[in-house]
Amino acid sequence: EVQLVESGGGLVQPGGSLRLSCAASGFIFSSYWMNWVRQAPGKGLEWVANIKQDGSEKYYVDSVKGRFTISRDNAKNSLYLQMNSLRAEDTAVYYCARAYYDSHGSHFDYWGQGTLVTVSS
Amino acid sequence: DIQMTQSPSSLSASVGDRVTITCRASQDITNYLAWYQQKPGKVPKLLIYAASTLQSGVPSRFSGSGSGTDFTLTISSLQPEDVATYYCQQYYSAPLTFGGGTKVEIK
Repeated sequence: EVQLVESGGGLVQPGGSLRLSCAASGFIFSSYWMNWVRQAPGKGLEWVANIKQDGSEKYYVDSVKGRFTISRDNAKNSLYLQMNSLRAEDTAVYYCARAYYDSHGSHFDYWGQGTLVTVSS
Repeated sequence: DIQMTQSPSSLSASVGDRVTITCRASQDITNYLAWYQQKPGKVPKLLIYAASTLQSGVPSRFSGSGSGTDFTLTISSLQPEDVATYYCQQYYSAPLTFGGGTKVEIK
C-alpha cells in the first residue's frame, strides 16, 4: 500500500525557516517524480514544487522561488521541503504527492495527509 | 502561467440529480487535465486524468470530457457521499495549476 507521511510542520515567525519531510513507503520511491502541494486555510490547492527521480530537475511556483528548496534522499525514501524567509501567506497545509507520469508535468495519484505550517508572530 | 477557471463556484442539487462542473483553461492544454475530489477535512483524491480516464476504484457515475480549453466533470446521479469540493488541474506546463474549486452540496 502506498503511504506518504509528512512531518515537520508547526508555528514559525515571519522570516523564519522550517523543513518539511515526507516519508514514502509501499512503492519504489526512486522511480517517481515527487511534488509538494499546499492549501491555505479555507482556500484552494496550489502546486509548490516538484523534483525528478534523481534530483537533477526541480521546478517551483514563482511565489516560492529563491526561498524554498525541494530535495530528496532515495536511500531513505524521503522527500523534503526547506522553507526559508517564511511569510504569512505561506500558511497552509502542505501535502506530499506522487506524480503519476514520468514527467514534471503530471497529475498526482497519491497524497499524504498533510502537515500544517503556520507563519505568525 | 495557465489559468484554470471553474464554474460554478458552488452548487446545490438533489440526490439523483445529474451534476455538471466546468473547467476552462486560459490556453490549449490538449487533454492534460485531471479532476480531484476533496471531502471536508480530507485529502484530495484523484478522480479522472487525461480529461476522461477514470482512476481505478472511482465510481462510474463520475465522468470527464473535453479537450483544448473546455472540460467538464459530470456526476450522473448525485449521491450523499459526493458532497465535496472538486478541483481541476492542468499538467500541460509548469507551473502546474488548479482551478478555484466547485463546492457541491445536497439540496
